[in-house]
Amino acid sequence: DAKTTQPPSMDCAEGRAANLPCNHSTISGNEYVYWYRQIHSQGPQYIIHGLKNNETNEMASLIITEDRKSSTLILPHATLRDTAVYYCIVRADMEYGNKLVFGAGTILRVKS
Amino acid sequence: NAGVTQTPKFQVLKTGQSMTLQCAQDMNHNSMYWYRQDPGMGLRLIYYSASEGTTDKGEVPNGYNVSRLNKREFSLRLESAAPSQTSVYFCASSEGRGGYNEQFFGPGTRLTVL
Repeated sequence: DAKTTQPPSMDCAEGRAANLPCNHSTISGNEYVYWYRQIHSQGPQYIIHGLKNNETNEMASLIITEDRKSSTLILPHATLRDTAVYYCIVRADMEYGNKLVFGAGTILRVKS
Repeated sequence: NAGVTQTPKFQVLKTGQSMTLQCAQDMNHNSMYWYRQDPGMGLRLIYYSASEGTTDKGEVPNGYNVSRLNKREFSLRLESAAPSQTSVYFCASSEGRGGYNEQFFGPGTRLTVL
């Protein structure tokens, strides 16, 4: 699985967009980009995933560069409840048992 | 739907004691996983079960055993607990049919080994 690099922490003002970057320069053609978050020692929560195209759901948007070597998770209007550790994970999905390899992630602090 | 449930929520053991962590899911998922999370670190995979009847080692399997009791339940056993196994343990499940597979996590079991 490709390795990812994320900044250790970021701050964001409440109501503003939070843009969380992730580098995955060794990503393979069949690997997806996943984002999960973990709020204060709870179990991680799936946010979004994508392969090539930009994706959007009710929680966030995922922007993947054309060469797929980096991506950005966008929380359009961050709230205090979005304070969490955000994990960027790349993973091929060609089999049962979708193992996830978690790095240290980015601590996002949303401030009022 | 309860999703993924784990018992117990908290546990304190003495070195050498044994215990089993229980996990159950009600989403009819094929794949189940056990992770541990040490303070300030990301999750690490201990064991997983891609489908009922199969189990495989993850990144940190030493000192643990697992049982996929049926499609719903996946237990993690510590035969002789050590202080290095003090951690938060998360169980997860996913549909497991290939393609992208969102994992659903339980609330965790906080284990302290003295």
